[in-house]
Amino acid sequence: GQNIDQPTEMTATEGAIVQINCTYQTSGFNGLFWYQQHAGEAPTFLSYNVLDGLEEKGRFSSFLSRSKGYSYLLLKELQMKDSASYLCAPMDSNYQLIWGAGTKLIIKP
Amino acid sequence: IAGITQAPTSQILAAGRRMTLRCTQDMRHNAMYWYRQDLGLGLRLIHYSNTAGTTGKGEVPDGYSVSRANTDDFPLTLASAVPSQTSVYFCASSDLPRSTQYFGPGTRLTVL
Repeated sequence: GQNIDQPTEMTATEGAIVQINCTYQTSGFNGLFWYQQHAGEAPTFLSYNVLDGLEEKGRFSSFLSRSKGYSYLLLKELQMKDSASYLCAPMDSNYQLIWGAGTKLIIKP
Repeated sequence: IAGITQAPTSQILAAGRRMTLRCTQDMRHNAMYWYRQDLGLGLRLIHYSNTAGTTGKGEVPDGYSVSRANTDDFPLTLASAVPSQTSVYFCASSDLPRSTQYFGPGTRLTVL
């Protein structure tokens, strides 16, 4: 079957660094997306990885290991506005996104 | 307008009533999607359309129907609403099926 595993909740301190891990199993693979979702709002696109390695985009970086079925999202210099849920979504062979329940990140001052 | 719009923003509906959720995008994207999001669960795909004139079933299609008469619009219809259809509904679109999906603001639907 297809499934996603992410921690349900994480807490971090403003200004710190946090890594959100995601392991996945899919039928085929066409890349992996990370989205951010603030409470009561729609998901917004953060990053996309299709090859192994690290993709850096400002304070956010995303890593992919296809052989391990593993990805992480790294958030640096945390700000209060980063409090949100982070959704890991690999794309299967039918180009459908497989969604986990997401990781709720709580930032404390 | 820019991006994706959905209407209504929220709705309370009596069980058994028919309801259509509207979704319009102005990005000329080929593919469009309907998801529902329930507390503690991931987004679940209801129906999708890879291009105007075609539709497909997602993970949870029962009780829902869609049409894609043109590129911009992708309405979702609940023929006879039931309480288990209480959820937040998101419409999304992408240039191609393999491309990044962009989401509308959502419709919060309550079926009593």
